[in-house]
Amino acid sequence: DIQMTQSPSSLSASVGDRVTITCQASQDISNYLNWYQQKPGKAPNLLIYDASNLETGVPSRFSGSGSGTDFTFTISSLQPEDVATYYCQQYDNLPLTFGGGTKVEIK
Amino acid sequence: QVQLVESGGGVVQPGGSLRLSCAASGFTFSNYGMHWVRQAPGKGLEWVAFVRYDGSNKYYADSVKGRFTISRDNYRNTLYLQMSSLRAEDTAVYYCAKGAQQQLILAYWGQGTLVTVSS
Repeated sequence: DIQMTQSPSSLSASVGDRVTITCQASQDISNYLNWYQQKPGKAPNLLIYDASNLETGVPSRFSGSGSGTDFTFTISSLQPEDVATYYCQQYDNLPLTFGGGTKVEIK
Repeated sequence: QVQLVESGGGVVQPGGSLRLSCAASGFTFSNYGMHWVRQAPGKGLEWVAFVRYDGSNKYYADSVKGRFTISRDNYRNTLYLQMSSLRAEDTAVYYCAKGAQQQLILAYWGQGTLVTVSS
């Protein structure tokens, strides 16, 4: 199985800050990497697919980059409504696997 | 708009069985692969199973293989997860999710249904 290592596990930042989350795959997954946002008590929501493509309707302050084994997710200007846990997920191979999540809070 | 509504969760004793359902609407159900993903209380996401658009192929996480069965009824627009030999570690919120055109991208999720395995 492909292991996804996400860091940090949590972070606290101020409104307007730039926030960066990293995700590392245990083997080359090309660009088969998605990012999801899960707000407290809610289902996950797809934000970015294929490492860098923004899902329709997702604000442009969210972005993703990377390929191979190393990926980055960025919120360019953190907003109060971005408080959530963010997960990366690979789909190069079944079983689909997720990173452990990054909990983002407002300082 | 896409809607996925799970049902069938509840409390079950270890070793027991339960069947979850996911009613789909707002899209042509028979054209898309479907998944089950679970989340134990306070934990991260774990993929459980996937079925192709026509039910021809099914895939499972090792943790549930031989105990869980994913199926679908394309006439009733409903996805199922039959769970048997349940264990305490199966306690989780179970989400159904619709695949995108690339069916391993989880494009839409239901609100989830809680399964608690406890004596």
